[in-house]
Amino acid sequence: AQSVTQLGSHVSVSEGALVLLRCNYSSSVPPYLFWYVQYPNQGLQLLLKYTSAATLVKGINGFEAEFKKSETSFHLTKPSAHMSDAAEYFCAVRKGSGNTGKLIFGQGTTLQVKP
Amino acid sequence: DTAVSQTPKYLVTQMGNDKSIKCEQNLGHDTMYWYKQDSKKFLKIMFSYNNKELIINETVPNRFSPKSPDKAHLNLHINSLELGDSAVYFCASSPRSGRGSTDTQYFGPGTRLTVL
Repeated sequence: AQSVTQLGSHVSVSEGALVLLRCNYSSSVPPYLFWYVQYPNQGLQLLLKYTSAATLVKGINGFEAEFKKSETSFHLTKPSAHMSDAAEYFCAVRKGSGNTGKLIFGQGTTLQVKP
Repeated sequence: DTAVSQTPKYLVTQMGNDKSIKCEQNLGHDTMYWYKQDSKKFLKIMFSYNNKELIINETVPNRFSPKSPDKAHLNLHINSLELGDSAVYFCASSPRSGRGSTDTQYFGPGTRLTVL
């Protein structure tokens, strides 16, 4: 069964520092993986997705993630944090195919950016 | 030019009441979803519809009844509201799932439901 685990419910970095948000997946089939961001009191916005093409995926706002099958990981990174990156980040895996496909979300990681 | 919209944004009501949340998407997508986000921010799918047909029903109490009058709308009606129904409810939509689809889901802004 497909699932994702986000390591660390809360990550704090200084402005300008590297951002690393961890996500490990479990899937019996090649997974479709996603990172979403939720700013305070807003809906979820897609940051990036992995769909079995390139293993290094670039997303919006300078974020990228690398799919590593050997480590069953899909960690999200950004070289230099900005104050506006403070938000809740969700990793998700698609479960099922066709019209029965659905997203299974991780527990979320709160990113705090300190000045 | 809002892609996925929900009304109302906030909903405060008493236990036992019946309420509805509306969702509309203007993206031309075939599939729509309802998710529930609890107080710990955990997101879980509740329902999905494809072209007005119920596809996914995730062991949600039958007090929750989704209705899709057309493929651009998916409303959520909740009967006999309970304290535990307090949450943020998100609507989402995605293009037709199938071969070649990457299933990106586009989310609405959410409806914060508070049951007193």
